[in-house]
Amino acid sequence: EAGVAQSPRYKIIEKRQSVAFWCNPISGHATLYWYQQILGQGPKLLIQFQNNGVVDDSQLPKDRFSAERLKGVDSTLKIQPAKLEDSAVYLCASSLGGNNEQFFGPGTRLTVL
Amino acid sequence: GQQLNQSPQSMFIQEGEDVSMNCTSSSIFNTWLWYKQDPGEGPVLLIALYKAGELTSNGRLTAQFGITRKDSFLNISASIPSDVGIYFCAGQPQYNNNDMRFGAGTRLTVKP
Repeated sequence: EAGVAQSPRYKIIEKRQSVAFWCNPISGHATLYWYQQILGQGPKLLIQFQNNGVVDDSQLPKDRFSAERLKGVDSTLKIQPAKLEDSAVYLCASSLGGNNEQFFGPGTRLTVL
Repeated sequence: GQQLNQSPQSMFIQEGEDVSMNCTSSSIFNTWLWYKQDPGEGPVLLIALYKAGELTSNGRLTAQFGITRKDSFLNISASIPSDVGIYFCAGQPQYNNNDMRFGAGTRLTVKP
């Protein structure tokens, strides 16, 4: 069974630029999550989708971050414009349903210069 | 938001030794989970706990859901070099069942 796929694996941009990350969850998983993991910290949940609907985006900085899952499968997370403090690993995870037993992708490491 | 307090931050042990780490919160949690993360990879689920007092094993790993529902611990017995990595506790708080909070991690180093 294929795992959660993410791309790109690495991205370096300058502050004020825009960036987008892509995630393909495990086939059949209805719930998809985006996390931000700053170096030395645990992952922080940004947004959770159930199919193509948003379940929880209370910790998403909506002035610059946006995410969508239009067809209920793949998802994209965008940052526009990026700030230095956005440097982190962005992890995507999926689960069959609910919040338990999430399977994580390898992450995208973002460096903002 | 509610943070999870995970300790210790790091551990340096000899191969064969047992390891214990724990996680506490000031709020009640409905679910406790333990993950391991290797460099350049996403976290991998080790054990999931769903009931207060529950004690669950996965090979050499044992985890417990605290009776107060505000804490959990993970034990690793007879450590081996491949146990090296960062271990995270995570949980769903009772006040928001859609949320998932992570601790800051315990970095484990095992000397052969």
